[in-house]
Amino acid sequence: AQTVTQSQPEMSVQEAETVTLSCTYDTSENNYYLFWYKQPPSRQMILVIRQEAYKQQNATENRFSVNFQKAAKSFSLKISDSQLGDTAMYFCAFMNPMGGAQKLVFGQGTRLTINP
Amino acid sequence: DSGVTQTPKHLITATGQRVTLRCSPRSGDLSVYWYQQSLDQGLQFLIQYYNGEERAKGNILERFSAQQFPDLHSELNLSSLELGDSALYFCASSRDSHQETQYFGPGTRLLVL
Repeated sequence: AQTVTQSQPEMSVQEAETVTLSCTYDTSENNYYLFWYKQPPSRQMILVIRQEAYKQQNATENRFSVNFQKAAKSFSLKISDSQLGDTAMYFCAFMNPMGGAQKLVFGQGTRLTINP
Repeated sequence: DSGVTQTPKHLITATGQRVTLRCSPRSGDLSVYWYQQSLDQGLQFLIQYYNGEERAKGNILERFSAQQFPDLHSELNLSSLELGDSALYFCASSRDSHQETQYFGPGTRLLVL
């Protein structure tokens, strides 16, 4: 079974700084998808970024980018020029598209606080 | 706004009771997923439906059941409720099931007293 590990329960940085959240996963599959979701205090789950394992190029979405290291099974999220609105729980998630269930397997989350 | 709607937003009930949570997927999405978020278990997959049929089950208790209707909305039924069932229940939807991103609804917060 796939597992996802986020080793940083909490992080805190100053506004405008760059912060990197770590995620590692365990799978024997070669084709899969990885995601970062953000959960602000409203508790809504918001997609931040997605990475296909077959793509070598790291995904980027404005201030958000990933460092995908397939061999190391590592998928970190970098937030540049952090803003107060980035304060949230961040969840890393894995999905095997060809498995019996296209379920998302989540890590335990990292609570990120951006300080003014 | 993801386009996925869930009702009710909040639900307070007593142990032993039964409740129904409702989800309407984004327009055009055929697949619906249910997840439970609790403090001790984190975010866990419960069940998936695709175009009206059950596709897969995860860590769903026998006291829980779900269905997806012809108009593609889905309901999650929780019965014989226990204190430990208190959680945030999310519905997510996607275009199909194999490679599409799942978009989440706002969730239903269930409190069992």
